[in-house]
Amino acid sequence: DVKVTQSSRYLVKRTGEKVFLECVQDMDHENMFWYRQDPGLGLRLIYFSYDVKMKEKGDIPEGYSVSREKKERFSLILESASTNQTSMYLCASSLLHNEQFFGPGTRLTVL
Amino acid sequence: AQTVTQSQPEMSVQEAETVTLSCTYDTSESDYYLFWYKQPPSRQMILVIRQEAYKQQNATENRFSVNFQKAAKSFSLKISDSQLGDAAMYFCAYRPTSGTYKYIFGTGTRLKVLA
Repeated sequence: DVKVTQSSRYLVKRTGEKVFLECVQDMDHENMFWYRQDPGLGLRLIYFSYDVKMKEKGDIPEGYSVSREKKERFSLILESASTNQTSMYLCASSLLHNEQFFGPGTRLTVL
Repeated sequence: AQTVTQSQPEMSVQEAETVTLSCTYDTSESDYYLFWYKQPPSRQMILVIRQEAYKQQNATENRFSVNFQKAAKSFSLKISDSQLGDAAMYFCAYRPTSGTYKYIFGTGTRLKVLA
């Protein structure tokens, strides 16, 4: 079975902390994505990667960075967490034009 | 800019009845993919159905079918014989076949199924 896993389901951090969210897929997919999901706003793309070490900004990249050193792993980094980054974070992967497969999500609370 | 609009934030349906969720999109592309995803409460988002724009035939998956109107840029999802397990957030998504790897999502429709 296809699988996308995320390092934590729930995370609580303090303002100013550096936060790492990790995503791993076992499908050998080229493309990986990070979204944040907020009520009434749907899914908004933060960053995506179409190959190892390749990345592109999405619609809301400010305050975030990413790392993809291996094909199966895509990390989202909050350099200095702020309260407005409290959200649900979803990772996804896809093969070319096919559908995306999503992880279970990480609900991040920044205090 | 390419956009996806789901105008119904919330809908309700009686168990065993049929419900249709609306989705419209805006694009100047001629070839693209459209998707409906389901996100059950506290569970992983999964694909419900996918449509390729060059195919005129509407996609179906068991009780789920779409009404794809390319000229009208409309892509609605019909759920027949609704079940309690259909209760979820439903997201419509669009992806062009060239030029970008990005998928564009609507804001979602929360479907409640009433017993």
